[in-house]
Amino acid sequence: SQELEQSPQSLIVQEGKNLTINCTSSKTLYGLYWYKQKYGEGLIFLMMLQKGGEEKSHEKITAKLDEKKQQSSLHITASQPSHAGIYLCGADSSGNNNDMRFGAGTRLTVKP
Amino acid sequence: KAGVTQTPRYLIKTRGQQVTLSCSPISGHRSVSWYQQTPGQGLQFLFEYFSETQRNKGNFPGRFSGRQFSNSRSEMNVSTLELGDSALYLCASSLDFQTQYFGPGTRLLVL
Repeated sequence: SQELEQSPQSLIVQEGKNLTINCTSSKTLYGLYWYKQKYGEGLIFLMMLQKGGEEKSHEKITAKLDEKKQQSSLHITASQPSHAGIYLCGADSSGNNNDMRFGAGTRLTVKP
Repeated sequence: KAGVTQTPRYLIKTRGQQVTLSCSPISGHRSVSWYQQTPGQGLQFLFEYFSETQRNKGNFPGRFSGRQFSNSRSEMNVSTLELGDSALYLCASSLDFQTQYFGPGTRLLVL
């Protein structure tokens, strides 16, 4: 089964600072998803990456997929308190969404 | 457009009972996926339905089942509840099998 490792497990940054969260897979990635979750609530889909080298941005959040390294990074520029939450990566290693796995999450705190 | 709705939001059951959770997708979305989230195991994929057919299934015992109706609403059922089934159950709907919209979840507590 595919394991997804996220790093760091938690992160505390000062408002305005940039930060990066990584997600590394032990298997080939057919699709990599990033989600954000506020405690005890549903997930918010951020973006999906499919091709190696693909990079997507949404507001101040950018995600990249490095197919060779089987890794994705999520970068937040000029962090704000609204960015606080748990960021989860999810990936499919079957090619048909038949084996969706998720990382343990990265808890982000942004200090005003 | 209304978002994904899940009912009930909170539920308390005892071991051995069975439970049914409901998910109403965004209008026009025909794909509905279910997930279980626990502190110990994290987020795990249960199953996905599309046009009333199960399209994908995660690695869960047969006690976990689901179905989808012609209006795309979906239900999941857990029979013979165990303490370990206590979790946040999330459903998500999708129009294109890529972008998923999640509901607020149903928090199930098994005593």
